[in-house]
Amino acid sequence: NAGVTQTPKFQVLKTGQSMTLQCAQDMNHEYMSWYRQDPGMGLRLIHYSVGAGITDQGEVPNGYNVSRSTTEDFPLRLLSAAPSQTSVYFCASSSTGSEQYFGPGTRLTVT
Amino acid sequence: AQKVTQAQTEISVVEKEDVTLDCVYETRDTTYYLFWYKQPPSGELVFLIRRNSFDEQNEISGRYSWNFQKSTSSFNFTITASQVVDSAVYFCALSEARAGGSYIPTFGRGTSLIVHP
Repeated sequence: NAGVTQTPKFQVLKTGQSMTLQCAQDMNHEYMSWYRQDPGMGLRLIHYSVGAGITDQGEVPNGYNVSRSTTEDFPLRLLSAAPSQTSVYFCASSSTGSEQYFGPGTRLTVT
Repeated sequence: AQKVTQAQTEISVVEKEDVTLDCVYETRDTTYYLFWYKQPPSGELVFLIRRNSFDEQNEISGRYSWNFQKSTSSFNFTITASQVVDSAVYFCALSEARAGGSYIPTFGRGTSLIVHP
């Protein structure tokens, strides 16, 4: 089992560029989620999914899109990158009541 | 208002001291889950413990112990005889039913623990 995988590990974007952060899990979890981590702010929920075809917004969804066409994959799209989106992004998967299984994170810098 | 409050931003101790990390949560649900995670300097998030709302038993795992008190909405974490390897950011999290019934946790802002040799 690979668990939760994320790519890339590091990324530098220019303001206005778009990109997709990839996330995949092989544990057949129904829930997947994206968090961003900023200094002093903890982990804040961006978007989440409760199953293929079902997504919902978290606390900080603006500037991000998600879709979930399969149980395994949950990509996060930045439509037009802004410096405020400089952060570390974590993808996670879980089932009801279980702990979150986190990926290793993607460190994104927007210049 | 924050659903999970970790009032201690940073704690600094000397090795072998005991240290308690506080976590206060807010929910109206009767069914919920509480978690602690550790984030060492390497950056990965490590699961430590899960508690459901119906189990108020305290738990001990080696030098780690957790005190869950529904009466005060607290889920505190104590490290006994701290070691340098305990230096990390610790997050408390609450998982309650969101709209649609899903359980996706909300995290506190974390407490940075620094253990000096």
